[in-house]
Amino acid sequence: NAGVMQNPRHLVRRRGQEARLRCSPMKGHSHVYWYRQLPEEGLKFMVYLQKENIIDESGMPKERFSAEFPKEGPSILRIQQVVRGDSAAYFCASSPGREPDTQYFGPGTRLTVL
Amino acid sequence: AQSVAQPEDQVNVAEGNPLTVKCTYSVSGNPYLFWYVQYPNRGLQFLLKYITGDNLVKGSYGFEAEFNKSQTSFHLKKPSALVSDSALYFCAVRDRGSARQLTFGSGTQLTVLP
Repeated sequence: NAGVMQNPRHLVRRRGQEARLRCSPMKGHSHVYWYRQLPEEGLKFMVYLQKENIIDESGMPKERFSAEFPKEGPSILRIQQVVRGDSAAYFCASSPGREPDTQYFGPGTRLTVL
Repeated sequence: AQSVAQPEDQVNVAEGNPLTVKCTYSVSGNPYLFWYVQYPNRGLQFLLKYITGDNLVKGSYGFEAEFNKSQTSFHLKKPSALVSDSALYFCAVRDRGSARQLTFGSGTQLTVLP
């Protein structure tokens, strides 16, 4: 059973470009979470999705950031018009959704904004 | 609101000695508590979780954690440390009755000296 897959592992963008980060959950998992890890910090929650629904986006910046988890295909975290402060590691986690729930994390995408 | 404190940024221990990584938490209701480990340039690996019942929880790689409700603590322990245990350890909490997102501590860098 493959774990949570994220791609790309490393992404370099120039200021003003768009970044698209992909996450494929573990088989059988229907819940996806995105977290951001800034240098020398812990992980901060961004958004929680189920198939075709955003359940909780309380951690998402109000502008430039969006997320989706379509019926088919991976979850996408999209950052428009990136700025240097967006440079971070972005981790996706998935869970089966049945309580008590455990989240399993992917390897992360390291975004560098030049 | 929920929060986690890991009071030690760095813990050093000699190989073969017992290790403890400290964690205290705050939630409004009853907690689910988790420990994850992160190796350099990797995602988080799940170690163990406390849901209910026995206060001593056993996890992967010989780690265990003790839940103490009166002290709101969930310290990670291992009787005999290995050099390969050197990594960044994160404690996380969520309130059973509310949102699914995890709140993480800032992490503790464990170094096991040969």
